[in-house]
Amino acid sequence: NAGVTQTPKFQVLKTGQSMTLQCAQDMNHEYMSWYRQDPGMGLRLIHYSVGAGITDQGEVPNGYNVSRSTTEDFPLRLLSAAPSQTSVYFCASRKTGVSLTEAFFGQGTRLTVV
Amino acid sequence: AQKITQTQPGMFVQEKEAVTLDCTYDTSDPSYGLFWYKQPSSGEMIFLIYQGSYDQQNATEGRYSLNFQKARKSANLVISASQLGDSAMYFCAMREGYNTDKLIFGTGTRLQVFP
Repeated sequence: NAGVTQTPKFQVLKTGQSMTLQCAQDMNHEYMSWYRQDPGMGLRLIHYSVGAGITDQGEVPNGYNVSRSTTEDFPLRLLSAAPSQTSVYFCASRKTGVSLTEAFFGQGTRLTVV
Repeated sequence: AQKITQTQPGMFVQEKEAVTLDCTYDTSDPSYGLFWYKQPSSGEMIFLIYQGSYDQQNATEGRYSLNFQKARKSANLVISASQLGDSAMYFCAMREGYNTDKLIFGTGTRLQVFP
């Protein structure tokens, strides 16, 4: 059971380049989300999705796009990378329901923009 | 205003002793959940324990317990019988409401367990 899989694990980009961080889960979870983690800070929500075809902005959405065409996949796109986007990115998923179930996190993608 | 506050940037504890990591929160939503995650040096986020706002009893999971004081808006994590492998960053997080996927994290506490 793979859980939440993020690729790549490491990436170096030049300022202005674009790229897509991939996230896939095999647990049939409805909710998926992207967070970034910067030194000395907790994780901050970028975008999230409550199901296929539905996405919404989190706390720090600027510079990022998402789409959710399938339940399994939730890619995060950087349109024009900036040094301020150097961070560790985490994808998470969880099941919906009445109880507030925990989110399962991927291993993270360490992105450096030079 | 900070919704999740962790005031201890770092804590030290001797092996086999208990340690409490502090977390206070702020919300006006009566329905919320509180979570603790562990992040070892390898970087992954590991779920430890969950407390719902309507839960009458404090949550426990093995050596982890959550000291939930609703009136004081605190949700401290207690780790009993600390082990060297407990050395990590610990994050407190809150989710407001049921139909949302927005986790709000604190800044974390780095726990170091020494022999």
